[in-house]
Amino acid sequence: KNQVEQSPQSLIILEGKNCTLQCNYTVSPFSNLRWYKQDTGRGPVSLTIMTFSENTKSNGRYTATLDADTKQSSLHITASQLSDSASYICVVSAREYGNKLVFGAGTILRVKS
Amino acid sequence: DSGVTQTPKHLITATGQRVTLRCSPRSGDLSVYWYQQSLDQGLQFLIQYYNGEERAKGNILERFSAQQFPDLHSELNLSSLELGDSALYFCASSAHNTGQDNNYGYTFGSGTRLTVV
Repeated sequence: KNQVEQSPQSLIILEGKNCTLQCNYTVSPFSNLRWYKQDTGRGPVSLTIMTFSENTKSNGRYTATLDADTKQSSLHITASQLSDSASYICVVSAREYGNKLVFGAGTILRVKS
Repeated sequence: DSGVTQTPKHLITATGQRVTLRCSPRSGDLSVYWYQQSLDQGLQFLIQYYNGEERAKGNILERFSAQQFPDLHSELNLSSLELGDSALYFCASSAHNTGQDNNYGYTFGSGTRLTVV
């Protein structure tokens, strides 16, 4: 069973609109939660890193939130652009597994004009 | 350019063969991590090296092996290749070693796409 579940699996939105991607995890305890953006055929690029004590972190038009009690995180993208089309991956650092990173399968976002 | 260089970018080979993937970490980074990403799957951690020594092992098959050289570049060797080994193989680097827990930067390369036919 995947310990990091992301939803939706894929999403299509119009340019300029906002969207929110979800990440639920069962990894506990964890050290930090990260969101990565992966363009097709490229390596993942870090967007945000949050420790368990942080509730929100922003990086430009990207805002990540974290609720450690419910083990949920979200990534909100504001005023989407065509270049936001990518896979967004939620990653949890798991202390119980020697701090290894557990990757979600990702949400594929397509922004169309 | 992330600073992590992977070669080759693409590789097509036949079943049963052996290939070597290469990774040069970002300047100053001592840790190298290898990941496998199969089609429509999440990244799976394979192995980590720190300053030449193996530090963590994930779901790496016995047919696969890796090493990190004194100049800190790393190679991932895949042998007796099977069709199911077709995937993107990513290398990442970081400056520190605290298992994989790293708040200081964790940079991925662009990957090597391996196709086994």
